[in-house]
Amino acid sequence: AQSVTQLGSHVSVSEGALVLLRCNYSSSVPPYLFWYVQYPNQGLQLLLKYTSAATLVKGINGFEAEFKKSETSFHLTKPSAHMSDAAEYFCAVTPPGSSASKIIFGSGTRLSIRP
Amino acid sequence: NAGVTQTPKFQVLKTGQSMTLQCAQDMNHEYMSWYRQDPGMGLRLIHYSVGAGITDQGEVPNGYNVSRSTTEDFPLRLLSAAPSQTSVYFCASSYERRLGGGYTFGSGTRLTVV
Repeated sequence: AQSVTQLGSHVSVSEGALVLLRCNYSSSVPPYLFWYVQYPNQGLQLLLKYTSAATLVKGINGFEAEFKKSETSFHLTKPSAHMSDAAEYFCAVTPPGSSASKIIFGSGTRLSIRP
Repeated sequence: NAGVTQTPKFQVLKTGQSMTLQCAQDMNHEYMSWYRQDPGMGLRLIHYSVGAGITDQGEVPNGYNVSRSTTEDFPLRLLSAAPSQTSVYFCASSYERRLGGGYTFGSGTRLTVV
């Protein structure tokens, strides 16, 4: 059975600092992995996805994530935080080629940005 | 291109009342689903559909019904509302059932049952 764990329900960084949001997965096969962002009172928006191509994935708004099979991780990073990055971020995992109904979402990490 | 449209955005129900949450997409997506979002629990799948006329249950289907008579619409019905159904509900769609492209989400319906 697959699962996803997001370490830290709340992360706070200063504007201009590195953003690191952690995601670890458990899966019997290399999965598809996603990061979604949710701004207040909005739905989730796809930031980036890993589907077995390049292990370093670049997404929107300057975010990127690296798939590390040996560490079963897919951490999200951004070199320099901006106030507009304040949101909740969800990591999600699904077995490749499986139905979309099999996707599992993490419990979310709320990112706060200090001026 | 509107994407995924959910109505209403907010709703307050009394215990025992019924209502339908509407979801429509204009992207000709094959796959549609309903999730509920509760604090600290991420998103949990209620029901999903792989095409018109085909629906199936997700992780937390009890108390909810769905139907998919057209590709565009996927309404969620609460049969007899309970306080435990207070949540934020999201409809999502994908152009393929295997989700290689990721989901497109609606902006949500915030439901309170009193």
